[in-house]
Amino acid sequence: DGGITQSPKYLFRKEGQNVTLSCEQNLNHDAMYWYRQDPGQGLRLIYYSQIVNDFQKGDIAEGYSVSREKKESFPLTVTSAQKNPTAFYLCASTTLTGPGDYGYTFGSGTSVTVV
Amino acid sequence: AQSVAQPEDQVNVAEGNPLTVKCTYSVSGNPYLFWYVQYPNRGLQFLLKYITGDNLVKGSYGFEAEFNKSQTSFHLKKPSALVSDSALYFCAVRALNSGNTPLVFGKGTRLSVIA
Repeated sequence: DGGITQSPKYLFRKEGQNVTLSCEQNLNHDAMYWYRQDPGQGLRLIYYSQIVNDFQKGDIAEGYSVSREKKESFPLTVTSAQKNPTAFYLCASTTLTGPGDYGYTFGSGTSVTVV
Repeated sequence: AQSVAQPEDQVNVAEGNPLTVKCTYSVSGNPYLFWYVQYPNRGLQFLLKYITGDNLVKGSYGFEAEFNKSQTSFHLKKPSALVSDSALYFCAVRALNSGNTPLVFGKGTRLSVIA
């Protein structure tokens, strides 16, 4: 079945540590997105990529980094510069070409907690 | 700039009663509009979309939404609520001719259906 896989489901980060969240899709989608979800704040865009080897900052990119070396993969690194990383992180993807509504398909999320 | 407002953080409704979850939007030009649902510790699932055509859109699980251009609204409705409808609901928008800019999401409305 086609879809988006996020791993791990839960991640515990120590102070000063960089951690990487995985996002893989087999939908042949062009664009991929990372959102951060905090209670009462909805979804806030961190980074997005519409083509391999290119990505753009979203509204809250500080303290995060991404790469897009393959169409299928868009990992997110939460760096030590992110002072408040505890949140639920969602990856999404969509097609950008041909007929369609360009709605998103979401992964099941990764919960990051600082310990 | 694109924006979405979900004016209610929480909506409570008795099982069997009709439900409405409100959404208003702001875009330049015509909108793509979406509703998604999120169950605890899961990603967002697509419910329905408005692209063009009939203002009343029918989606999954008996939900529907009415596009009202003059009021810039896209309220989610269901004639008879179920306890299993209890979840977090997100409205999202992007402009039809915005050059593939990312979807903008509202802050979410928590629906609680009481037996």
